[in-house]
Amino acid sequence: GQQVMQIPQYQHVQEGEDFTTYCNSSTTLSNIQWYKQRPGGHPVFLIQLVKSGEVKKQKRLTFQFGEAKKNSSLHITATQTTDVGTYFCAGQRGAQKLVFGQGTRLTINP
Amino acid sequence: EADIYQTPRYLVIGTGKKITLECSQTMGHDKMYWYQQDPGMELHLIHYSYGVNSTEKGDLSSESTVSRIRTEHFPLTLESARPSHTSQYLCASRPGPSNYGYTFGSGTRLTVV
Repeated sequence: GQQVMQIPQYQHVQEGEDFTTYCNSSTTLSNIQWYKQRPGGHPVFLIQLVKSGEVKKQKRLTFQFGEAKKNSSLHITATQTTDVGTYFCAGQRGAQKLVFGQGTRLTINP
Repeated sequence: EADIYQTPRYLVIGTGKKITLECSQTMGHDKMYWYQQDPGMELHLIHYSYGVNSTEKGDLSSESTVSRIRTEHFPLTLESARPSHTSQYLCASRPGPSNYGYTFGSGTRLTVV
């Protein structure tokens, strides 16, 4: 079945450093979504990427969808303590269910 | 603001009890989902529904059952709770078209003692 692998599992950075999490699918995806879950909270939808090679930005966050539509990345520039949480990617193939990655837990040293 | 509501927020029950976790959404979404998640870990899909009277099992084997009698309501029932059921249960919904993100509820943290 479809699998979505996300790395790294954990990432600890100093405040102000950049952060990147990567997502890889075993199959070509129709779209990929990214979610953020704060400690003790629930996942919150951030963005969806649909087109091959697509790049979207939300303030300090940059999301990319690979040319082959099998991988994606989320990059945070100059992290802040408010960025702490677990970031999940979720891939979809056609009308099938979303498949979530394992998540990358980001902690930040102020 | 969340338009998907889960109750109770926290629940501690004894082994063997029957429980129902409630999930309601006011957005008219066709698709609803139940996920099980241990703190900070990955999400495991246990049930989903694409509309009234439609329910399917997810990827994670679960001893729970669900029903979808009304669009807005998608309760999850455990007939006999066990300590292994201790976890967080998240309900989510989204509109019919596939190009929308999921809206998650705040979750129910279940502890079975």
